[in-house]
Amino acid sequence: EVQLLESGGGLVQPGGSLRLSCAASGFTFSSYAMSWVRQAPGKGLEWVSAISGSGGSTYYADSVKGRFTISRDNSKNTLYLQMNSLRAEDTAVYYCAKAAEYMTTVTTFDYWGQGTLVTVSS
Amino acid sequence: DIQMTQSPSTLSASVGDRVTITCRASQSISSWLAWYQQKPGKAPKLLIYKASSLESGVPSRFSGSGSGTEFTLTISRLQPDDFATFYCHQYNTDFPTFGQGTKVEIK
Repeated sequence: EVQLLESGGGLVQPGGSLRLSCAASGFTFSSYAMSWVRQAPGKGLEWVSAISGSGGSTYYADSVKGRFTISRDNSKNTLYLQMNSLRAEDTAVYYCAKAAEYMTTVTTFDYWGQGTLVTVSS
Repeated sequence: DIQMTQSPSTLSASVGDRVTITCRASQSISSWLAWYQQKPGKAPKLLIYKASSLESGVPSRFSGSGSGTEFTLTISRLQPDDFATFYCHQYNTDFPTFGQGTKVEIK
């Protein structure tokens, strides 16, 4: 059974940093791209970042480029999102999501974690 | 970025109704479109991929159609469990985008 478990969310001041983790199980982690998708309170879904299965290719939304870094440790089956220079508008539930198709980043998402809430406020 | 526009934003319907939600892309995305259902406090659930392919385990009352820039999600006979928010999602490039969502409410 595929499971994705996010952690690392919390309250942080504007300008601060936070690192999210997503522990994966139930599939061959290194064979699938992974993404982070966020949802601000009461709002819709926004794709944030993606990483290929090997970790060699990364992609970012313009809203986070230069501030967020996606990475993965395939030996630990874990996905990360390092978030720096956080702003109030980064406040959201952050979901990790698994690529539905093998060995491509251009795909939909078939499994999602339960989400972790990041609140940026002074 | 490819912009995705859903309509309507909110839809009031009754159990047993046929419901249709539309999603328009700002440029052609071929058939690289998915639909998700999200209930409050829960993660999105994949319903349809590649515009019209039903995800495993999803009831057959859900169907998708379209290609290019115009797509529809249809629920043939609305069930109590279907009241939720639905999102379209284009994955034509490495920079996917979502529609703003359609909330299906009880009439």
